[in-house]
Amino acid sequence: EDQVTQSPEALRLQEGESSSLNCSYTVSGLRGLFWYRQDPGKGPEFLFTLYSAGEEKEKERLKATLTKKESFLHITAPKPEDSATYLCAVQARGGADGLTFGKGTHLIIQP
Amino acid sequence: NAGVTQTPKFQVLKTGQSMTLQCAQDMNHEYMSWYRQDPGMGLRLIHYSVGAGITDQGEVPNGYNVSRSTTEDFPLRLLSAAPSQTSVYFCASSYSQGRTFFGQGTRLTVV
Repeated sequence: EDQVTQSPEALRLQEGESSSLNCSYTVSGLRGLFWYRQDPGKGPEFLFTLYSAGEEKEKERLKATLTKKESFLHITAPKPEDSATYLCAVQARGGADGLTFGKGTHLIIQP
Repeated sequence: NAGVTQTPKFQVLKTGQSMTLQCAQDMNHEYMSWYRQDPGMGLRLIHYSVGAGITDQGEVPNGYNVSRSTTEDFPLRLLSAAPSQTSVYFCASSYSQGRTFFGQGTRLTVV
């Protein structure tokens, strides 16, 4: 059974204080690992897809990395508008085309 | 550029009532799916479809039916609503290995 565990559950940072969110996963053959941002009352918004260990992707203050067992979402010099819940999900090879999600990390950036 | 459109946004049902949650996408995606999101849990896959006329069960299919008569539409039917089906429902669409686009969600309360 595919599993995704995200840590921490919640994180409060000061504006400009860099940090990382963790996503540990077990999957029977990784097709892709996805990061999403979710604002209150909204649907998840796509951030990144990573396909193989060693891959990295960046977008503004966010950088996602992938190893064979986990992914990190690094947030550099965050701003209050980066406050959101960040979701990690995996898609397995050969199985249903749906995603297996973690419970998310609730990130608050204080001015 | 509508993306994935869900209706209604909010719904209150009485136990035992039936209803259909509507979902439409305008991106010509083959893959469509339904998830539910509950507090303290990750999004969980209910049903999915890999193309018109083809549907399959996800992780939590009991109490729900789906059909896919066109590429654009993927309605989710609750046969006899139960309080345990109180949740936020998200419809999603994607290409086979690409990013998944989510709708804005339907918040359902069963009393």
